[in-house]
Amino acid sequence: GESVGLHLPTLSVQEGDNSIINCAYSNSASDYFIWYKQESGKGPQFIIDIRSNMDKRQGQRVTVLLNKTVKHLSLQIAATQPGDSAVYFCAENTGGFKTIFGAGTRLFVKA
Amino acid sequence: NAGVMQNPRHLVRRRGQEARLRCSPMKGHSHVYWYRQLPEEGLKFMVYLQKENIIDESGMPKERFSAEFPKEGPSILRIQQVVRGDSAAYFCASSPGPGGEYEQYFGPGTRLTVT
Repeated sequence: GESVGLHLPTLSVQEGDNSIINCAYSNSASDYFIWYKQESGKGPQFIIDIRSNMDKRQGQRVTVLLNKTVKHLSLQIAATQPGDSAVYFCAENTGGFKTIFGAGTRLFVKA
Repeated sequence: NAGVMQNPRHLVRRRGQEARLRCSPMKGHSHVYWYRQLPEEGLKFMVYLQKENIIDESGMPKERFSAEFPKEGPSILRIQQVVRGDSAAYFCASSPGPGGEYEQYFGPGTRLTVT
């Protein structure tokens, strides 16, 4: 069945270092992937997305990599800042309306 | 340019009472989605609505839960005869089109506590 899972439930990084958050998915039919950031007490906030016809997409300080061969998605955050501390969710969509979320990775940024 | 609005932000109900959660989509958005989130877990899809239509409610429990998105006014998620297991954060999202093609914008959520 469909599932989106994360390799690590928590990640702790030093301020200024780069962060890498990983995600595995199992539905090869998924063609749209999204990373969301959720701060405590708030709703998920869109970070970046990527379609299955791409391997890499860059935003401001963030990069998403998609490896369809091994069904792996990663989010890279450059020069991690305290404000990046949050829970990060990957999500997949098979072209319809239903977005399937993973369990989340909590990112701690140490000053 | 207001984002997705949800109210109330916090709702406390006793077992057996009804809970009504409201969601106003972003301006220009006609597609609304409801999700439920338990502590330390991801969001689980519940229902997808367009104006006056339920498109898919496959994630919604068959009993006690209902949703609507009337022609005028906010979308409503209604939980009748609440039980402790209904305690969760309920998030609404909206998009200008179906979720597979368009980014969903999330509201701040309603945190329901059933005592």
